[in-house]
Amino acid sequence: AQRVTQPEKLLSVFKGAPVELKCNYSYSGSPELFWYVQYSRQRLQLLLRHISRESIKGFTADLNKGETSFHLKKPFAQEEDSAMYYCALKESNTGKLIFGQGTTLQVKP
Amino acid sequence: EAQVTQNPRYLITVTGKKLTVTCSQNMNHEYMSWYRQDPGLGLRQIYYSMNVEVTDKGDVPEGYKVSRKEKRNFPLILESPSPNQTSLYFCATLAGANVLTFGAGSRLTVL
Repeated sequence: AQRVTQPEKLLSVFKGAPVELKCNYSYSGSPELFWYVQYSRQRLQLLLRHISRESIKGFTADLNKGETSFHLKKPFAQEEDSAMYYCALKESNTGKLIFGQGTTLQVKP
Repeated sequence: EAQVTQNPRYLITVTGKKLTVTCSQNMNHEYMSWYRQDPGLGLRQIYYSMNVEVTDKGDVPEGYKVSRKEKRNFPLILESPSPNQTSLYFCATLAGANVLTFGAGSRLTVL
């Protein structure tokens, strides 16, 4: 079954430290993956998509089909990065988005 | 400005009292969806709609109904709310490039 797993509920780092939010997926087809972010008191919004191969707010994510992972990385965390992060996979046949459980990133000063 | 508007944003109600959470979008998108967000469980899809008069169950449809009589509106109906439906609810539309645009959320408490 299609599934997205984010193994960490909470990730706490100090400002300036590297960050890696883990995301693993299981999907039989060719996956399309996303990271969404929810800052405090704000709505969920797209952070980045794997097909764009872009860097947004210093974050990058590379799709590793061998390891079925799509980890989100940033070399130097900032306090304003503190938020809830969701990894999501789009089913190609239904268009449905499957979300992981979410990881709260806490960046301490 | 592209918008997904949910109402009410906050609601406290009692078990069994029917309620409706409205969702409206101004982007003429065909796809709309409802999610609930619970601690430790992430976002789970309740219902979605591919177009007017086309709705399908998501992962957790029990206790909910939806309707899609017109493209812009996709209300979520709780006919007989129960405490386990206490949650934060999000409506979303799917834009081009498969990007979801979310509403601000509706926090529902069922006593």
